[in-house]
Amino acid sequence: KAGVTQTPRYLIKTRGQQVTLSCSPISGHRSVSWYQQTPGQGLQFLFEYFSETQRNKGNFPGRFSGRQFSNSRSEMNVSTLELGDSALYLCASSFTSGYSTDTQYFGPGTRLTVL
Amino acid sequence: AQKVTQAQTEISVVEKEDVTLDCVYETRDTTYYLFWYKQPPSGELVFLIRRNSFDEQNEISGRYSWNFQKSTSSFNFTITASQVVDSAVYFCALSDNYGQNFVFGPGTRLSVLP
Repeated sequence: KAGVTQTPRYLIKTRGQQVTLSCSPISGHRSVSWYQQTPGQGLQFLFEYFSETQRNKGNFPGRFSGRQFSNSRSEMNVSTLELGDSALYLCASSFTSGYSTDTQYFGPGTRLTVL
Repeated sequence: AQKVTQAQTEISVVEKEDVTLDCVYETRDTTYYLFWYKQPPSGELVFLIRRNSFDEQNEISGRYSWNFQKSTSSFNFTITASQVVDSAVYFCALSDNYGQNFVFGPGTRLSVLP
């Protein structure tokens, strides 16, 4: 079974631009979560999507948004990039039914650098 | 609120030594899940183990073992006879029963020296 894939793997943007990251979950997984990882803040939860609906959201500004498609693929968008948005963005998928939790499996991440 | 503490920021050991990584968690839930993940230099988080709050049995998998103690809210991870390939950052994580509050600890960077 193929793992979680994320594209692109590396991205360089400048302040003020916007960026879209993509995540394809493991086949059959319906939940996709996004995390931001920085040396200073560690792994921070951004949001989770389940069956095309945002089910949970972390404490991030509205510049961070996401969506999930009917095939469970998810995209994350960051608008008006700031230097502090430079981070490794990790996507995780799980077969969460909504009534119980399952293990999250992570993709390789997208390393975003904002200049 | 849920919280995970990994007091050891960095640990260095020499190959073949045993090493224990500590994890202490806080939650008000009666049903919850604990996880350990490994993040090698490549960056991808690798799942190691999941344990639910009703299963306090210790687990051994090869050189890895986990000690879950609800009385002290701890879920420690021991690597026996460490190897250079074990060098990575190890994260302990906590989730509620519905997977909607997934919290990671700050991680412990393990360096295994040859």
